[in-house]
Amino acid sequence: EVQLLESGGGLVQPGGSLRLSCAASGFTFSNYAMSWVRQAPGKGLEWLSAISNSGANTYYADSVKGRFTISRDNSRNTLYLQMNSLRAEDRALYYCAKDAKLLVLRVSLDIWGQGTMVTVSS
Amino acid sequence: QSVLTQPPSVSAAPGQKVTISCSGSSSNIGNNFVSWYQQLPGTAPKLLIYENNKRPSGIPDRFSGSKSGTSATLGITGLQTGDEADYYCGAWDSSLSAGVFGGGTKLTVL
Repeated sequence: EVQLLESGGGLVQPGGSLRLSCAASGFTFSNYAMSWVRQAPGKGLEWLSAISNSGANTYYADSVKGRFTISRDNSRNTLYLQMNSLRAEDRALYYCAKDAKLLVLRVSLDIWGQGTMVTVSS
Repeated sequence: QSVLTQPPSVSAAPGQKVTISCSGSSSNIGNNFVSWYQQLPGTAPKLLIYENNKRPSGIPDRFSGSKSGTSATLGITGLQTGDEADYYCGAWDSSLSAGVFGGGTKLTVL
């Protein structure tokens, strides 16, 4: 079964850091680009970041550029999101998602995890 | 405000057809593929349409997608109460070098 499982969310103080992980199974992880998407409570989807299948290329939304870093370990079938300088407005459910097309980055996301909640509060 | 513009809500009766629009620009919809997602309450989004009009396996043909210029449309026929959900369009934006979503449309099946 194709599956993504996020972990690493929790409560952090403003200005703090958190690293999210996304464990992939059931498909050849190294063949697909991956994205992080978040959803604040009661709000819409916000694309945050993507990484090519090899990890050579990364992309970010302006809202997180310079604060968040996406990476992947294809040997461990795991995607990461390092989040620094967290703000109250970063409070959201964070999803990792897999691109539908082999070897290309299109942000057509066919498999999603269940999400991990991040709360930023003192 | 979202880069892609969707109506906040649409409604229709069971069995009827509804369309949801998504408006963008040449840097996103105009020159890149559009995807559509369904998000049922309390669940992760689900891909309904990719590459403008293709359905992943398991998605019924009641769902269809089209694109013209800088706008895209999701169509749903034979509406069911189980279709009540939030629907999002998404695309790559070549100018931003980023993914973008619409603000979402809440579908009510009356």
